[in-house]
Amino acid sequence: DAKTTQPTSMDCAEGRAANLPCNHSTISGNEYVYWYRQIHSQGPQYIIHGLKNNETNEMASLIITEDRKSSTLILPHATLRDTAVYYCIVRPQYNFNKFYFGSGTKLNVKP
Amino acid sequence: DTAVSQTPKYLVTQMGNDKSIKCEQNLGHDTMYWYKQDSKKFLKIMFSYNNKELIINETVPNRFSPKSPDKAHLNLHINSLELGDSAVYFCASSPSAKGRGYYNEQFFGPGTRLTVL
Repeated sequence: DAKTTQPTSMDCAEGRAANLPCNHSTISGNEYVYWYRQIHSQGPQYIIHGLKNNETNEMASLIITEDRKSSTLILPHATLRDTAVYYCIVRPQYNFNKFYFGSGTKLNVKP
Repeated sequence: DTAVSQTPKYLVTQMGNDKSIKCEQNLGHDTMYWYKQDSKKFLKIMFSYNNKELIINETVPNRFSPKSPDKAHLNLHINSLELGDSAVYFCASSPSAKGRGYYNEQFFGPGTRLTVL
């Protein structure tokens, strides 16, 4: 299983873009990169996922490097409600239903 | 409408007791999960059921027994509770991976905070 490395915490000013990095240097060719977040005292929430190409949805954008060894989650206009722990997860190649959550990045959005 | 619900939200009990946590999803999903989040906030998968069949069983003491009466419900029964079982337990569900390629999105419940005294 590929492991991920994320900074422990980051700060971001409200209204600015939040860029959350993730390293997954041992990722395999068919493994997807997923991002989830967990707002305090709530269950984790799916944000976005991708394989090779950059992805965008209503919540965020996901930029994956060409060698796939790292990725960046971008929240284009962070709000106070985006304060949460953000988890970068790489899903095992042949096990569709297994997720390993690491320690994540605590994003603090400040006014 | 709550997609994934858990009861109870809080559970305080004595060591040695037996307790159950219930989970229900109204999303029509085939797969359900139980996760444990410890005091360090690490989220670890415990079990996964697909259409009432156990497909993932991580290294969990056999005091923990999941039961799936139908694909919309996955309950967690814990025997002989220990102090180390104190944690937040999350239930989740997802569409089956069959026919949907290599990805799925998991929907999590609000969690059950278990405190063993």
